[in-house]
Formats: sequence, C-alpha cells, structure tokens
Amino acid sequence: QKEVEQNSGPLSVPEGAIASLNCTYSDRGSQSFFWYRQYSGKSPELIMSIYSNGDKEDGRFTAQLNKASQYVSLLIRDSQPSDSATYLCAAHTGFQKLVFGTGTRLLVSP
Amino acid sequence: DAGVIQSPRHEVTEMGQEVTLRCKPISGHNSLFWYRQTMMRGLELLIYFNNNVPIDDSGMPEDRFSAKMPNASFSTLKIQPSEPRDSAVYFCASSLFGEEAAGELFFGEGSRLTVL
Repeated sequence: QKEVEQNSGPLSVPEGAIASLNCTYSDRGSQSFFWYRQYSGKSPELIMSIYSNGDKEDGRFTAQLNKASQYVSLLIRDSQPSDSATYLCAAHTGFQKLVFGTGTRLLVSP
Repeated sequence: DAGVIQSPRHEVTEMGQEVTLRCKPISGHNSLFWYRQTMMRGLELLIYFNNNVPIDDSGMPEDRFSAKMPNASFSTLKIQPSEPRDSAVYFCASSLFGEEAAGELFFGEGSRLTVL
C-alpha cells in the first residue's frame, strides 16, 4: 500500500464548476499535508498546506483534512481552463520527509 | 531571486555510462531533496540533506546511486552504471528547515534522463 494514494484521473469538469480532488494517507502519525500543482512538463509548485482538521480556504481553493478518516481533499471553485494540471497530494511522514501521491490529472473544458 | 538551478536539463546516455546531475539550491535554504518522477511511480523521494548532512537515503534504489552535498550551495546525484530503467525526470528541491516551512519545497526545473 502506497503511503499517499490518489485517483489518477483524469477528472474532467466544465469551466465554472467545482473540482473536487481527493487523497488518502496511511501514516496516522502524519500531521502536515500539502497540495502541489504540476503543469505538463513543469515542476511542482505548492498551492495549499493544511495542518489541522477542518477546512482552510485561500481564494478559489479550499483544502479539507479529516485525520480520523486519514483523508485530505482539495476543492477548486469556479474552475478555469488554466487550472488544468496534475494535482499532487503530499504528507509529512517523518522528520522533514515529504511523501507524494502519484497525482490526479484535472482537465477543465471551456 | 534565482530559484533552484539544475543541470543538465536533458541527458541522453547509453546503458553503462556514468551520469551526474547537479543542483544549486536557493540561497539560505538548508534542506535539499532529490526526487525522481516517472509515470508509473510518481514522485519518489531518493535522499534528503539537512545542513549538508544526508538524513535519509532509504529511497535510493540501489548502490548504483549516490548523492553528495559538499557545501550549502551545491549537490550532485550520480548514477554509475546507468540502466534504461533509470530513465525519469530527476528533481532537486530545497526548503528552509523548520516545522512550518518544512513542507514548502521549491523545485528546480528537473533533469530529464534517458538511458538507451
């Protein structure tokens, strides 16, 4: 079992819709979680971090964490074609060690 | 400010040859990470350094891989001998050590390695 699991997609949504990306993790000791966005042929870039249960909002992005269910999600409101990318979920599993899921590819159609 | 700088951007080599990938982290960052990305396995952590000291190299696939960080501004990842299954994009990333910043990695543009 991989430490961080994501559905590879692609997840297709129309422009203006809400995109919901999900992630589960296996290490109950993980305390910090992150969402990175990676455009095709580019490097990952951090878009959200979340450390405590509940929701955290930043502009059109909302990260949600449920430690009891070992579940992390990312909601993107008013999706734009420019949001089309692969979204990587990551969890701290130890001292400075960040483990990534394989990513979910999001396609936003105009 | 310059970001993380990696070289070469692309490398095509033949099986059995030595490959050396280079990384210059962001000035002031004291943690450096080497990741490998493939379609099948995603982004895998190979090794990371804190204050130039290797902390965890459990992700290094085998003895053919080695990494060094002789000073705060330079690191290398070496594969000797290279094999076709080593073909991947290798990313270097840096960050500031500390609980809040620990998950904020700044990635270089990657080195795409093809081993024929």
